[in-house]
Amino acid sequence: QVLLVESGGGVVQPGGSLRLSCAASGFTFSSYALHWVRQAPGKGLEWVGFIRYDGSNKYYADSVKGRFTISRDNSKNMLYLQMNSLRTEDTAVYYCAKPPDGQWLVLSYWGQGTLVTVSS
Amino acid sequence: EIVLTQSPATLSLSPGERATLSCRASQSISNYLAWYQQKPGQAPRLLIYDASNRVTGIPARFSGSGSGTDFTLTISSLEPEDFAVYYCQQRSNWPPGVTFGGGTKVEIK
Repeated sequence: QVLLVESGGGVVQPGGSLRLSCAASGFTFSSYALHWVRQAPGKGLEWVGFIRYDGSNKYYADSVKGRFTISRDNSKNMLYLQMNSLRTEDTAVYYCAKPPDGQWLVLSYWGQGTLVTVSS
Repeated sequence: EIVLTQSPATLSLSPGERATLSCRASQSISNYLAWYQQKPGQAPRLLIYDASNRVTGIPARFSGSGSGTDFTLTISSLEPEDFAVYYCQQRSNWPPGVTFGGGTKVEIK
């Protein structure tokens, strides 16, 4: 079955950096676009961005553009989110998510999330 | 940028009652709308995609309708496990992206 496991969350100071990872299994990793979605404590869902199946294109929400970078290693079945110039408003649980067959922009499988806290 | 507005913010109902949740888009999105359920401490779960297509394994009491700017998620008869927060989500083909609504909490009355 599809399994997505995020890691790398923690506490970081404003202006700092952090890299999140998402380990995937149970599907042909190199065939699917993958997304990052975040959720601030007690708030709604916010899409962060996604990367195409081959890593050729990446798209981001305006709120993170220029600060966050999504990448993937298809040889290791790993998805990454490099977060730089972090702000307090980036505090959230970060989920990686996978679309179903035949879709790019609907999210059918989600990890359990990893918490990022940006605080001095 | 397309904005999704969900209403009401909170819906207080009893088990067995019918729930009607609304999602309105700021401009037409055809049928590019999905619905998710999220329970406390859990990741969201996809229920409906392309406005009315129920995901395999989702109970038939969940149904979606609408097109253009106005969409509805209906739960025909609430079960205890249905009390949760529901989000709508639209997809944009260019530039590719996703936007979520603010959510509707369905709580026990």
